[in-house]
Amino acid sequence: KQEVTQIPAALSVPEGENLVLNCSFTDSAIYNLQWFRQDPGKGLTSLLLIQSSQREQTSGRLNASLDKSSGRSTLYIAASQPGDSATYLCAVNRRGSTLGRLYFGRGTQLTVWP
Amino acid sequence: DTGVSQDPRHKITKRGQNVTFRCDPISEHNRLYWYRQTLGQGPEFLTYFQNEAQLEKSRLLSDRFSAERPKGSFSTLEIQRTEQGDSAMYLCASSPGRGSHNEQFFGPGTRLTVL
Repeated sequence: KQEVTQIPAALSVPEGENLVLNCSFTDSAIYNLQWFRQDPGKGLTSLLLIQSSQREQTSGRLNASLDKSSGRSTLYIAASQPGDSATYLCAVNRRGSTLGRLYFGRGTQLTVWP
Repeated sequence: DTGVSQDPRHKITKRGQNVTFRCDPISEHNRLYWYRQTLGQGPEFLTYFQNEAQLEKSRLLSDRFSAERPKGSFSTLEIQRTEQGDSAMYLCASSPGRGSHNEQFFGPGTRLTVL
């Protein structure tokens, strides 16, 4: 069974800091990995998707890396802003299971204060 | 708005009542997923449709739960004889399928509270 772990569970930083959120998964046979953002009481917004053959993806101030062999991904947020405050979820799409079934971590709750 | 939509956004019901939720995926997305999320947890997979065919159901989906996607477009999730443990956020996602790397796009969710 695929287990996804996210560290830290919560993070509180001043505006302007560069951040690293960590995600690990137990089964390296993945199809892809997605990072999502969730605001309180809301649905999920897709941030980045990394295919299993890729090492990283970038979108604006966000950069996600993938090391499939070690079962790890990191989400790097540059120059954090208060508007980045949200819960960040990592999810893997495991190869061999129903194509598309995502396995989620519990998320990292990020607070960026002015 | 051309994203995934869900209705209702909030539902409060008494234990033992039946509830039904609706999900409208992004147009032309042939894959549709239901997830459930409880407080402080990541979403957990419930079931998956490709067009109108329900291809997988999680063990979380007890016999009180049923999902349909009759014409391969919108989907409904029904919970019969609700229990307090059913209180959660129910999330729907859709994906274009082949060639898209199966990126999933989520709706705003339906928050269910069972009293």
